[in-house]
Amino acid sequence: DVKVTQSSRYLVKRTGEKVFLECVQDMDHENMFWYRQDPGLGLRLIYFSYDVKMKEKGDIPEGYSVSREKKERFSLILESASTNQTSMYLCASRNIYEQYFGPGTRLTVT
Amino acid sequence: AQSVTQLDSQVPVFEEAPVELRCNYSSSVSVYLFWYVQYPNQGLQLLLKYLSGSTLVESINGFEAEFNKSQTSFHLRKPSVHISDTAEYFCAVSEKGGSEKLVFGKGTKLTVNP
Repeated sequence: DVKVTQSSRYLVKRTGEKVFLECVQDMDHENMFWYRQDPGLGLRLIYFSYDVKMKEKGDIPEGYSVSREKKERFSLILESASTNQTSMYLCASRNIYEQYFGPGTRLTVT
Repeated sequence: AQSVTQLDSQVPVFEEAPVELRCNYSSSVSVYLFWYVQYPNQGLQLLLKYLSGSTLVESINGFEAEFNKSQTSFHLRKPSVHISDTAEYFCAVSEKGGSEKLVFGKGTKLTVNP
């Protein structure tokens, strides 16, 4: 069965902290994605990666960076967390047509 | 670039009533279309997809959607809903033969009341 896991379901961080969100998939997919989900705004793409060490900016990359050192792992980094980054973060990986999502990490920045 | 409009942010219905969740898209090229469902406190799950062929696609739990190219729509329907269908539903589009990205609508929250 397809599986995408995220390192934490809930996370509370302070303003200015560096935050790492980890995502692992077990399907040998080349493409992986990070989204944030906010009420009334749907899902917005932050970054995606189509291969190891390759990345592309999505629609809202400001304040974020990513790392993909291994095919199965895609990390989202908040270099200096701010309160407007409080959100639900969803990771996904993709086969030919379908994206498979992890359970999400609800991040609160205080 | 593509865009997706979900016309209703919230849809309340009674159990066993029919429901339609509306989705319109905009694209200058041919597209693939998807409906995802998100149950409370969970990630998104694919409900159904249109890739090619028959314009009517069905899910295993009784939902169906019809691709209408002339109206650029992909509305989701179910003839009789259950309490367990309460969830948020997202319509999404991607380009055929284009980038790997999905563009999502803002979601429709379906609440099924007893």
